[in-house]
Amino acid sequence: EDQVTQSPEALRLQEGESSSLNCSYTVSGLRGLFWYRQDPGKGPEFLFTLYSAGEEKEKERLKATLTKKESFLHITAPKPEDSATYLCAVQALIGGGADGLTFGKGTHLIIQP
Amino acid sequence: KAGVTQTPRYLIKTRGQQVTLSCSPISGHRSVSWYQQTPGQGLQFLFEYFSETQRNKGNFPGRFSGRQFSNSRSEMNVSTLELGDSALYLCASSRTGSDGYTFGSGTRLTVV
Repeated sequence: EDQVTQSPEALRLQEGESSSLNCSYTVSGLRGLFWYRQDPGKGPEFLFTLYSAGEEKEKERLKATLTKKESFLHITAPKPEDSATYLCAVQALIGGGADGLTFGKGTHLIIQP
Repeated sequence: KAGVTQTPRYLIKTRGQQVTLSCSPISGHRSVSWYQQTPGQGLQFLFEYFSETQRNKGNFPGRFSGRQFSNSRSEMNVSTLELGDSALYLCASSRTGSDGYTFGSGTRLTVV
């Protein structure tokens, strides 16, 4: 069974204080690992897809990395508008195709001015 | 570019009733997936439809069903509602189902 564990559950940072969120996963065969951000009352907003170990992607203050067992979302010099719940999900390969996404419980990030 | 549209946004139903939720995907997207989000369990995969066929299914009882129409619009039905079905139901669309998903804002279902 595919599993995704995110840590920490919650994180409070000062504006400008960089940090990393962790996503540990077990999957039979990885098709892709996804990062989303979710604001209260809204659906998840796509950030990144990573497909193989060693891959890195960046977008503004965010950088996602992937190893064979975990992924990190690095946040550099965050601003209050980066406050949100960050979700990690894996998609497994099945029968030549791809399964639905298995999500972690998320990291609730608060950036204080 | 229009996003994924889900209707209605909010719904209150009584235990034992049934409910139908609607999702219009992004134009050109043929894959539509449904997820249930609750505070305790987080986001859980219900099922995926591609070109009107159910391609994948999560671990939910048969009370949860769906369908997809020729224009890729999808509906999800829950029969014999239980209090535990109260949740945010999210729809996500993708071109192929393996290239990243765009989520709608969801339908908040409350069962009383």
